[in-house]
Amino acid sequence: DIQMTQSPSSMSVSLGDTVTITCRASQDVGIYVNWFQQKQGKSPRRMIYRATNLADGVPSRFSGSRSGSDYSLTIRSLESEDVADYHCLQYDESPWTFGGGTKLVLK
Amino acid sequence: QVQLKETGPDLVQLTQTLSITCTVSGFSLTSYNVHWVRQPPGKGLEWMGAMWNGGGTDYNSAFKSRLSISRDTSKSQVFLKMSSLETEDTAKYFCARGVGDYWGQGVMVTVSS
Repeated sequence: DIQMTQSPSSMSVSLGDTVTITCRASQDVGIYVNWFQQKQGKSPRRMIYRATNLADGVPSRFSGSRSGSDYSLTIRSLESEDVADYHCLQYDESPWTFGGGTKLVLK
Repeated sequence: QVQLKETGPDLVQLTQTLSITCTVSGFSLTSYNVHWVRQPPGKGLEWMGAMWNGGGTDYNSAFKSRLSISRDTSKSQVFLKMSSLETEDTAKYFCARGVGDYWGQGVMVTVSS
């Protein structure tokens, strides 16, 4: 199975920060990586699809990038509504696999 | 609008079989895939399997032969059945369309001994 190693597992942040979360794939998954935001007790929300594409309705302060097998989600000028858990997903190969998740915590 | 809704028990006995239904609206099961994902309390997401729009299925081998996914297109429903439940199967179970563009609200299932 493809492993998605997500880091950090948690991050202490302040409003206005630029935050970057990374997933490293254990083998090539091409562009087939999505990023999800999940707030406490809620369902995941797709933020980025195919590594770099902003999903509908997602603020432009969110962006996705790829460098080799490293996939990153960046949030610029963090707002309070962005404090949540974030998950990456590879769907290049079955079984699809998620990263372990990153929890953003306000300082 | 697109909606998915999971219905199922909130408590299941150890070694028993879990059955959850995902009822969808706003799209056709013959046009979109539906996936099952679960999340144990305080933990990450785990992909369980998929019902492809063409009627085929795909399963995470982690569930070995315990898992079965089926559908009734006339009722716009996708079904998850998982047998031989263990306490580790306590989780919130979600269905999702495609690669997660829409999700149900999930159903929390506790496996009790």
